[in-house]
Formats: sequence, structure tokens, C-alpha cells
Amino acid sequence: DAGVTQSPTHLIKTRGQQVTLRCSPKSGHDTVSWYQQALGQGPQFIFQYYEEEERQRGNFPDRFSGHQFPNYSSELNVNALLLGDSALYLCASSLRQNEQYFGPGTRLTVT
Amino acid sequence: AQSVSQHNHHVILSEAASLELGCNYSYGGTVNLFWYVQYPGQHLQLLLKYFSGDPLVKGIKGFEAEFIKSKFSFNLRKPSVQWSDTAEYFCAVNAPWDNDMRFGAGTRLTVKP
Repeated sequence: DAGVTQSPTHLIKTRGQQVTLRCSPKSGHDTVSWYQQALGQGPQFIFQYYEEEERQRGNFPDRFSGHQFPNYSSELNVNALLLGDSALYLCASSLRQNEQYFGPGTRLTVT
Repeated sequence: AQSVSQHNHHVILSEAASLELGCNYSYGGTVNLFWYVQYPGQHLQLLLKYFSGDPLVKGIKGFEAEFIKSKFSFNLRKPSVQWSDTAEYFCAVNAPWDNDMRFGAGTRLTVKP
């Protein structure tokens, strides 16, 4: 049974560019949450998707957007990248609002 | 909104020592509480959780945590640590109806053999 998978593992982008990160939830899960983890900090909630809709959003600007597909996988898009967007981006999946299972993360570096 | 404070940034212990990591949260209502662990090079994993009921919660690998509502605390304990417990530990909280789970900054635990 595959757990949560994320791609790519690492990514280097330039300021102003756009990036798309991908997440496949654990088998049987229907809810995907995205988190940003800056160096030395705990994860910060970006948003959660359920039934292909954004159910809740944290304190992140509109440059951060997402999507959930019918197979429950999800994408996180960040436009107009800033240096401060450099972080580990974590995806977590759950069955509705139960325990969240985290993926390994995508390390984004913005130069 | 909720926030979480973890008192210790880095804790260094010898094997067999007892462990207590502090966690305090700021939220006056009903909360769900979690401790996650991140071993070197691995994913965040759930150690234990509290939703309701017995305030002393037992988790995996011999860890336990006690919810003290009057102190807004959820400290993590283990009577005897092992070298393999070396990891980063995160406390997290959310309200039952709120999907925004708030994490503390984490405590790095180093266990010396």
C-alpha cells in the first residue's frame, strides 16, 4: 500500500517564475492538505482540498493556488515566486477529517 | 486563532534518560492535539493524538502525552530514551471543525549512545 507520494523531490526556480508541485494521496484517502515548512520552523497550513474544491485556506496569498483531480491527487501552484517561497512543501492526505499522513515533501529553492 | 509553543529548541540526552518535551497552545475552546516525529531523512509520522477522553494518551514506541486543560499543555514523555529516538518532534493543534492544523516550531532531540 503506497503512502503519500510527492513530486518532484527537489526543484530550483528563479524569482518571478511559476511552479507546480504534485501529490498522490495514500490509497483510500479523499482529502489533501498542503503545508509550507520553512527552515527551522514547523509546517504552516496552506489549504485543504476535498471533493475537488478548496475547503479551507490558511494565511497565504493568492499566488498560491491548488487543484484536486477526480482521482484525489492534487497540485499546488505558486506564481510569481519570491525568495521567501523557498521551503519544504508537504502534502498530507486523510480520509475526510481524520488522521493526516504526510508525504516526503518537495524542497523548493528560489534563486 | 490557535498557536503552539514548544519550549525547547534542542534537547540532548544520554540513552536511558527520561524525556519530557513541553508543548503549550493558545486556544480557549475544544482542541485536538497531536505529536508528530520526523526521523532523519524520513516523513513526518504521527506519534500520538488526543481528541477526547482520558487525558493520558499512549502512542507508539513507548511515548505518552498528558493533556492538562487548565495549563493549556500537552507535554510528551518517555521514561527511557534510545539512540533511535533521535529526531525532530512537533506538537500540533486544531479545533475539531478546523482543518488548519497549527504546528509548533519543533524540538530537536539528540540521544547520545
